[in-house]
Amino acid sequence: DAEITQSPRHKITETGRQVTLACHQTWNHNNMFWYRQDLGHGLRLIHYSYGVQDTNKGEVSDGYSVSRSNTEDLPLTLESAASSQTSVYFCASSEWGLTGELFFGEGSRLTVL
Amino acid sequence: KNEVEQSPQNLTAQEGEFITINCSYSVGISALHWLQQHPGGGIVSLFMLSSGKKKHGRLIATINIQEKHSSLHITASHPRDSAVYICAVSGNQFYFGTGTSLTVIP
Repeated sequence: DAEITQSPRHKITETGRQVTLACHQTWNHNNMFWYRQDLGHGLRLIHYSYGVQDTNKGEVSDGYSVSRSNTEDLPLTLESAASSQTSVYFCASSEWGLTGELFFGEGSRLTVL
Repeated sequence: KNEVEQSPQNLTAQEGEFITINCSYSVGISALHWLQQHPGGGIVSLFMLSSGKKKHGRLIATINIQEKHSSLHITASHPRDSAVYICAVSGNQFYFGTGTSLTVIP
């Protein structure tokens, strides 16, 4: 069965370190998204991609970057982790044109000390 | 300004009760999604709809495009329905509500 997986599921890091969260989907979806989920804010868009070599900033993109070298993967990098980036991160994918169902990974809980 | 508003934010029900969660949106959409998130868990899609009504087991989702409103109904609620229910719409991007936390007491 097609799926979307995130790794690591849990990570603790220190302020200033670079962290990369992996996202891999086997749906062959063009659209991939990274969200963070914090209490009281719901899901907030960090970065998104509509296809290979395409990346776009979302509403909370400062301090984050992504790259899309193939259809399956959209890694999220925190250049220099800050305590404000402690959160649960969700990767998601959908079919072309935003008209399809949205599929989420299991989430990655990141703690920055 | 939130493009998607849900009500109520929190809901406690007795097992067996009929439950309604409401979602209003302010943008043009191609589809509306209802998502479910169990405590500490991932997010799964329950429904995607662009008109009318859909039913899966005890869950029913309706949408009124003219009024920009959707409802999620749970009939004969059960403790395993306890979760956060999130309304999302897809227009030029995905917009999410902040969720409704449902607790069903045995």
